[in-house]
Amino acid sequence: EAGVVQSPRYKIIEKKQPVAFWCNPISGHNTLYWYLQNLGQGPELLIRYENEEAVDDSQLPKDRFSAERLKGVDSTLKIQPAELGDSAVYLCASSSKPLAGVYNEQFFGPGTRLTVL
Amino acid sequence: EDQVTQSPEALRLQEGESSSLNCSYTVSGLRGLFWYRQDPGKGPEFLFTLYSAGEEKEKERLKATLTKKESFLHITAPKPEDSATYLCAVQASNFGNEKLTFGTGTRLTIIP
Repeated sequence: EAGVVQSPRYKIIEKKQPVAFWCNPISGHNTLYWYLQNLGQGPELLIRYENEEAVDDSQLPKDRFSAERLKGVDSTLKIQPAELGDSAVYLCASSSKPLAGVYNEQFFGPGTRLTVL
Repeated sequence: EDQVTQSPEALRLQEGESSSLNCSYTVSGLRGLFWYRQDPGKGPEFLFTLYSAGEEKEKERLKATLTKKESFLHITAPKPEDSATYLCAVQASNFGNEKLTFGTGTRLTIIP
């Protein structure tokens, strides 16, 4: 079974430039997550999708960050314009639909390491 | 405030030297506690889910346990390939549905 796919793996941009990250979840997983991970820290949730609906975007800085999951499969996370403080690893994860209130584990992609100069 | 704290931040062990990693949490209504392993340059890899106090799970040299306040990841006779950062995460009712709140991890190094 293929895992979560992310691209690009690395991205270096100048500040104020736009950048986009792409994620393809595990086939059949209807829940998709974007996390941000700073060096030496655990991942922090940015946004969660159930199919094509963003059900938790409370931690997404909406002035510069946007995300979409148009057909309920793959997703794109965009930053415009990027700031120096956005340098981090952006992780995508997916999980299958919870059954009887038991929530399933999340499977993570390799991440995109963003460097803003 | 709900918190997840992992200790120690870093741990160096000789090959074969058993030890434990700690994850303490302060949340309301724990739904599940998750352990992940993360290698440099990679995303977290799922290891275990624990749902209730007293539960234990094992996988190779790793054993995870859960109490009402903390979880331990015991590593028995570790090998160099066990070197990684181990992350603990909780899913609690007051955090929302499937949101995971992570600790900062324990960086484990096994010396041959």
